[in-house]
Amino acid sequence: EPEVTQTPSHQVTQMGQEVILRCVPISNHLYFYWYRQILGQKVEFLVSFYNNEISEKSEIFDDQFSVERPDGSNFTLKIRSTKLEDSAMYFCASSQQILSNQPQHFGDGTRLSIL
Amino acid sequence: KNEVEQSPQNLTAQEGEFITINCSYSVGISALHWLQQHPGGGIVSLFMLSSGKKKHGRLIATINIQEKHSSLHITASHPRDSAVYICAVSGNNDMRFGAGTRLTVKP
Repeated sequence: EPEVTQTPSHQVTQMGQEVILRCVPISNHLYFYWYRQILGQKVEFLVSFYNNEISEKSEIFDDQFSVERPDGSNFTLKIRSTKLEDSAMYFCASSQQILSNQPQHFGDGTRLSIL
Repeated sequence: KNEVEQSPQNLTAQEGEFITINCSYSVGISALHWLQQHPGGGIVSLFMLSSGKKKHGRLIATINIQEKHSSLHITASHPRDSAVYICAVSGNNDMRFGAGTRLTVKP
């Protein structure tokens, strides 16, 4: 069964550094998402992306964050100047249709640790 | 107040028991999702529903749109069902999550 793959599985970065989290969504999917889960807390929506632009974003997704689909397969989340509070598990997901019509498939996550 | 409330927070059951996890929401939605998060952190989508009832194996999900309430039932629970079960609601392209219910099924 096709999967959403995320790399790396664990990223350790110094505070203030830029970090890029990478995702390869399922190939025929059109909608892409990033979520984060701070340790011990609930999953939070960050952003959704369709047709090469952001569809929705949450209050968390401020100017520090950006997303890109640089080629036909990758979907990336960039955090420009990381802060300690950015430490979390980041999940990528994709779906063929909008969330009201079809469930999404999640990657296994990237654990981001900011030192 | 959280937009998505789940109960209970934690649930311990003996193998074979019938389990119910509840979810209430306070916002307008296009769909409600039940997700399973494994101990390693990975998330699997179990159900997406906007009305009525869905069944998959030993899992049943129901939703009452008027009451803004959904339940996830597990029949004949098994230790491999131990996980965190998360209720989430979506508009067209965003999602709001409950805090999850940690289920432990003992043999």
